[in-house]
Amino acid sequence: DTGVSQNPRHKITKRGQNVTFRCDPISEHNRLYWYRQTLGQGPEFLTYFQNEAQLEKSRLLSDRFSAERPKGSFSTLEIQRTEQGDSAMYLCASSPDSNYGYTFGSGTRLTVV
Amino acid sequence: DQQVKQNSPSLSVQEGRISILNCDYTNSMFDYFLWYKKYPAEGPTFLISISSIKDKNEDGRFTVFLNKSAKHLSLHIVPSQPGDSAVYFCAAARASGGSEKLVFGKGMKLTVNP
Repeated sequence: DTGVSQNPRHKITKRGQNVTFRCDPISEHNRLYWYRQTLGQGPEFLTYFQNEAQLEKSRLLSDRFSAERPKGSFSTLEIQRTEQGDSAMYLCASSPDSNYGYTFGSGTRLTVV
Repeated sequence: DQQVKQNSPSLSVQEGRISILNCDYTNSMFDYFLWYKKYPAEGPTFLISISSIKDKNEDGRFTVFLNKSAKHLSLHIVPSQPGDSAVYFCAAARASGGSEKLVFGKGMKLTVNP
């Protein structure tokens, strides 16, 4: 069990560019979550997958954001036409069942300049 | 509007003493509550949880108390150890509503001094 792996750890991009993050959950976990954390705030829910199905999405997930989990394994989060307000830590978590005791990854820190 | 509030940004205690971390919530539909701990450069780590059908849950040095009428929960750490120094997040969920979403507070930094 290597935990939840997120890549890259850090990403600096220019405003207007597209970025994609990857999350590899714990292998036997069928639930996968994306959260965003800005400075001084707690994590905010973005979206949730059960296997390959995206079952819940936050209103924070604007049209510029898209998440996928093909084949119910790893997941990607893409942000198109990045804005400075997208600068945040993007956290992925996974869980084997619905007990909320997620295992979080270390996150991807995005800086939009 | 913050539905989960951690009003104290920081707490400093001496090693061996009790640490009490507080959390208030406004949404009466929340029925499951959790505490997470976060070290720098790491993701949050699940610590302890409590369902709204209980008023207390204990796990080793950690105890969570829930007061539904006051919409208040607290985390007690006894005895506190220097390794407990971290940011602690309170989180809440509408488990009976079938939502997988956790709503987090802003966090509180605990420092345990040797």
